[in-house]
Amino acid sequence: SQQGEEDPQALSIQEGENATMNCSYKTSINNLQWYRQNSGRGLVHLILIRSNEREKHSGRLRVTLDTSKKSSSLLITASRAADTASYFCATSGGTSYGKLTFGQGTILTVHP
Amino acid sequence: GAGVSQSPSNKVTEKGKDVELRCDPISGHTALYWYRQRLGQGLEFLIYFQGNSAPDKSGLPSDRFSAERTGESVSTLTIQRTQQEDSAVYLCASSLAERGAGNEQFFGPGTRLTVL
Repeated sequence: SQQGEEDPQALSIQEGENATMNCSYKTSINNLQWYRQNSGRGLVHLILIRSNEREKHSGRLRVTLDTSKKSSSLLITASRAADTASYFCATSGGTSYGKLTFGQGTILTVHP
Repeated sequence: GAGVSQSPSNKVTEKGKDVELRCDPISGHTALYWYRQRLGQGLEFLIYFQGNSAPDKSGLPSDRFSAERTGESVSTLTIQRTQQEDSAVYLCASSLAERGAGNEQFFGPGTRLTVL
């Protein structure tokens, strides 16, 4: 079963615009991670935010975490056509041995 | 060293046949995970290995699915008597994570399984 839900399911923007994706989850977590997937194959880790953190930056990525609302957002600034991919949030928590529970993903399309 | 590798990259089989999927994790990564991704969906956890032991097999969907890991390295996921609903991409990931640490996982490119 999926832990989280992501919205929107699909997002289409122009190059240079910002893209915001949201993720909600249900149970307590140790951390939340965002991954990117191209062409339905291997995933690439983007950023990890721990449950005691509220915001984290990495290059053009900004992630926020609100544990009271059990939600997170991923912001990609100044998007590029190469950012076109599916983006997934994944949570790790409790005694889960680090296993990740993924959301359904957001399909991002950036038009040149 | 090299990243996580998986083989085969694609597998087409007939319903009822057995298949074996292989994962070579990053050298030194003690944790290994198998996930399944159906078309247009997120990833579903199948099984977790710490070393050669599997403390969490809770995601295996039926007794037709099994996995083993040897030498704290290579892992094999076996699906017996395949069904059409087994069609999916099977992804392997490895990590330095110890219990509950929840560190970054490094994913392989996956094996796309199609059951006719």
